[in-house]
Amino acid sequence: AQKVTQAQTEISVVEKEDVTLDCVYETRDTTYYLFWYKQPPSGELVFLIRRNSFDEQNEISGRYSWNFQKSTSSFNFTITASQVVDSAVYFCALSEPFYQKVTFGIGTKLQVIP
Amino acid sequence: SAVISQKPSRDICQRGTSLTIQCQVDSQVTMMFWYRQQPGQSLTLIATANQGSEATYESGFVIDKFPISRPNLTFSTLTVSNMSPEDSSIYLCSVEGADSGVIGTDTQYFGPGTRLTVL
Repeated sequence: AQKVTQAQTEISVVEKEDVTLDCVYETRDTTYYLFWYKQPPSGELVFLIRRNSFDEQNEISGRYSWNFQKSTSSFNFTITASQVVDSAVYFCALSEPFYQKVTFGIGTKLQVIP
Repeated sequence: SAVISQKPSRDICQRGTSLTIQCQVDSQVTMMFWYRQQPGQSLTLIATANQGSEATYESGFVIDKFPISRPNLTFSTLTVSNMSPEDSSIYLCSVEGADSGVIGTDTQYFGPGTRLTVL
């Protein structure tokens, strides 16, 4: 069965610090997809990134970067030089095409303090 | 990505009543999903709605409590029936993008959510 673990429930950092959000997943499938979503206080769920299981190339997008390692079943998310606007709940998610549904982690609440 | 709207954005309802939430997408999509997010919790899938067929419910959710309609490829409704305070949650609809055309492989995009409070 699919499982997504986000061990950090809440993180507080001071503005301009770097912060890494951890995500560990479990799957029996060889083909799967991983996602990160951001949910600001307004409640809307914003898509950040999607990776498939065949592409372990890490990605950088502005201040965001993602580290996907199949060997450890991890898909970690780093924000560089954090800003107050980064304060939100971040969800890691896993999709297995066979089950046609997405399983979400419990979320990590990030608070960036000015 | 699809543009998704939901109505109402929020509501406060009395115990025992029902509320119907609407989800509108700006493009035709095969599958639509309904999620519940209880306060401080993660998202839990309620059901998957395909046009022209009965919705598929996840364990713990039943049609009598959460009837779903899917009359066409751009619209769906979720009704929360006979509400109790435990139903107070954010309800979100989502659709899968069509990047690959293979169900279960594309990104799910979410509507803004409906914040429901049951007194």
